[in-house]
Amino acid sequence: SQTIHQWPATLVQPVGSPLSLECTVEGTSNPNLYWYRQAAGRGLQLLFYSVGIGQISSEVPQNLSASRPQDRQFILSSKKLLLSDSGFYLCAWSVGGGYGYTFGSGTRLTVV
Amino acid sequence: GNSVTQMEGPVTLSEEAFLTINCTYTATGYPSLFWYVQYPGEGLQLLLKATKADDKGSNKGFEATYRKETTSFHLEKGSVQVSDSAVYFCALIDNQAGTALIFGKGTTLSVSS
Repeated sequence: SQTIHQWPATLVQPVGSPLSLECTVEGTSNPNLYWYRQAAGRGLQLLFYSVGIGQISSEVPQNLSASRPQDRQFILSSKKLLLSDSGFYLCAWSVGGGYGYTFGSGTRLTVV
Repeated sequence: GNSVTQMEGPVTLSEEAFLTINCTYTATGYPSLFWYVQYPGEGLQLLLKATKADDKGSNKGFEATYRKETTSFHLEKGSVQVSDSAVYFCALIDNQAGTALIFGKGTTLSVSS
């Protein structure tokens, strides 16, 4: 069966420090992969999505970047965190279309 | 563009009350519609879905009907439980445009015994 792993679960980082959040999927090949951010009172915002290795689409210009070095690995990064980067980050995968997405358990990031 | 609008929360109900959470959408193509649920401290789980007009999605006593004429996908449950307390998100994928999943802002449901 397919599973999605996301870590760490919680993270507290100082302003200006780098960030690396990792997401891996098991049990499927060539999934579409997504990073969402959930900020208080703002719902779920799509940050990046990828339909294949090395293919990244950015939805919102910001202080973050994403990479897909392997088929089932999706990494969210920042060189220098801002206070506004705090939030709940969710990774998801899909096979496309009307099947919906499967989400990871999320990472709670607090920038201090 | 595509968008999803949900009723503002929080919604506070007593156990066994009837639940409705309204959701309307705007889409240029023929979307698939979803309800996701987020329990406290957890990620999102797919609750139910409908992929074409007049389809009814159902799961765990919840149901929603895809109404193309009113562009709605309201979530209902006849008798809520304390364990249903969570945040509920309505979402769509525009299959024709090939967009990613677009979410509403979420509605917080709190059920008391």
